[in-house]
Amino acid sequence: RKEVEQDPGPFNVPEGATVAFNCTYSNSASQSFFWYRQDCRKEPKLLMSVYSSGNEDGRFTAQLNRASQYISLLIRDSKLSDSATYLCVVDHSYDKVIFGPGTSLSVIP
Amino acid sequence: DAGVTQSPTHLIKTRGQQVTLRCSPKSGHDTVSWYQQALGQGPQFIFQYYEEEERQRGNFPDRFSGHQFPNYSSELNVNALLLGDSALYLCASSPRQGNIRYGYTFGSGTRLTVV
Repeated sequence: RKEVEQDPGPFNVPEGATVAFNCTYSNSASQSFFWYRQDCRKEPKLLMSVYSSGNEDGRFTAQLNRASQYISLLIRDSKLSDSATYLCVVDHSYDKVIFGPGTSLSVIP
Repeated sequence: DAGVTQSPTHLIKTRGQQVTLRCSPKSGHDTVSWYQQALGQGPQFIFQYYEEEERQRGNFPDRFSGHQFPNYSSELNVNALLLGDSALYLCASSPRQGNIRYGYTFGSGTRLTVV
């Protein structure tokens, strides 16, 4: 089993749609969880951290379920500018951070 | 405040050659991690350096080695290059070992092509 797995994608959605990305991780001892965004041929950039209580940043909502070892990202009212690859990131151990394979999102006019 | 700086931005090498990639971390950061990202895949962890020592290593052969200098900058060396080593190599820095809660900043990467 891979350490971090994500929906294979790609996701093609119309503007204004709500889209959800899912991620699972294998190491139950993992402590920190993040979503990164990567634009084509650019470096990854932190989108948001994921907390046990769930957290929201504008149109973006992240959820963590430690029992199921599952992380999600919900994007509401999708914009064209949301088109990118979304990477699930898990702090696998104290000094080893693991990225998922990413899920590509295209928001269509 | 400069972010993470990587050099060179692009590189073309021949199979069997050796390559050195360089990274200067963000000001205030002392930990450097290296990742390999093949086209269409997520970044794969190569190793992390802190206090001039390799602290953790991913599933990469010994052909991949690194170094961290007293000023926290780092190098990634790859020997005996294979076609499969063609990828974007990303350097990420953080304020202290493992503590990415305060920010894990990536450089723009070095795109290596092996022919």
